Formats: sequence, C-alpha cells, structure tokens
Amino acid sequence: QSALTQPRSVSGSPGQSVTISCTGTSSDIGGFNYVSWYQQHPGQAPKFMIYDVTKRPSGVPDRFSGSKSGNTASLTISGLQAEDEADYYCCSYAGRYTLIFGGGTKLTVL
Amino acid sequence: VQVVESGGGLVQPGGSLRLSCAASGFTFSIYAISWVRQAPGKGLEWVSAISSSGGNTYYADSVKGRFTISRDNSRNTLYLQMDSLRAEDTAIYYCAKYYSSGWYSLEKWGQGTQVTVSS
Repeated sequence: QSALTQPRSVSGSPGQSVTISCTGTSSDIGGFNYVSWYQQHPGQAPKFMIYDVTKRPSGVPDRFSGSKSGNTASLTISGLQAEDEADYYCCSYAGRYTLIFGGGTKLTVL
Repeated sequence: VQVVESGGGLVQPGGSLRLSCAASGFTFSIYAISWVRQAPGKGLEWVSAISSSGGNTYYADSVKGRFTISRDNSRNTLYLQMDSLRAEDTAIYYCAKYYSSGWYSLEKWGQGTQVTVSS
C-alpha cells in the first residue's frame, strides 16, 4: 500500500493561515473517519495534534484544525507562529488494524 | 506518561536485533501499542502493533515474517524482535501508545532508538 500523498512543503508568514492536504484512497482516508496528524520538530519525536479527523487532544492550540472531504484530509493552521515550523504527517487507519502515513510536509514560517 | 526505547545499534545484513520499549505513567496492560519507524530523511512508516493482552499482533507487509512484536505486561515493556535484517530496515524506531481504546491514532511517542543495518 502506497503512502498517503502530501505536498513536500508549504509556507506562510506569521499570523497567516496555511492548509496541508493529504490524499489517499477509499481504502484508507475515504473509508474511515480516523485521520490523525502529527507534528515533528527536527530531532524530536512526533507529537499528536489531531485525531478522528477533527478532534484536538488536550493541550493542542485551537489554531490547529482538521477536516476531510472524500479521499482527502486537510490540516489548517491559523494565526501561524514561528514555533509551528516543523514537519507534519497525516495518518489514516487502513483497516485490519493497520495505519498508513503520508510522506510528510515541511512547513516554513517566513 | 512516558515510553522509552532501547536496544538499537549497528548490525550486519541478515542479522538480528531486539528492541525494547519501557512504559511508565499509565496502565500499560490496557492499551494497544505500536512500532513506527523513520528511515533517514524519510517519512513515518507503521511497522507493527499488538493488542493490550498481547494475544493479537499485526505487521506491515514490509516486515511480515521477519519481525515479531511481543509484550510483557508484568514488566510494562514492549519488544520488537527483528530478524533477517536488511539495509532498508535502517531507521529510527519509535514505540507509540494508541489513543484511548482504539487502533486509530498514536497518542504518546518515545524518542526512538536508531537501528543501522550495514556491513
């Protein structure tokens, strides 16, 4: 099974909004409402940011939001801050207790 | 809540390695746990998962038949036995606790342990 498709990079200025897309198939994103997103700063472990497409774990700022339409999920970061600069990975449940990740998107805050 | 991986290192192709993941700060025995890896400069790849009791295990096709996941709930520890290692298994290996009682997202990740397969 191929990885989910994400743009290699996105960028935005402080205070702006950016959206990262994540495209899969009807066997993963389109088939389940179980998309999650992870933030990874260089040399650090991934951090849990969004689950079940739209839900935020405790402690994650409400500037981060998730959505899904068909086979494509999206992560939107509003009010961009310098500390948001990181790699972002989408992930979807793919059935049979397996997960599939996206290739990752590097967010640059200009 | 904390998970700490160990056991990584340099191994020759065809060799074996056993990774461990020590958990603390939560009731280890009631959560499914997963291994996820990240090759150098690459994205995340789900590797394997195990149910809370250890009775059910799941693997990515890329490691099926070569890797074995297990757990010891009395020691709050997860394991990954890696056999017949290949160069493409070179990666940082993370253990991660699933969120709530589901199999759908990974709530807490360790810092990872580096595995290098090279002659």
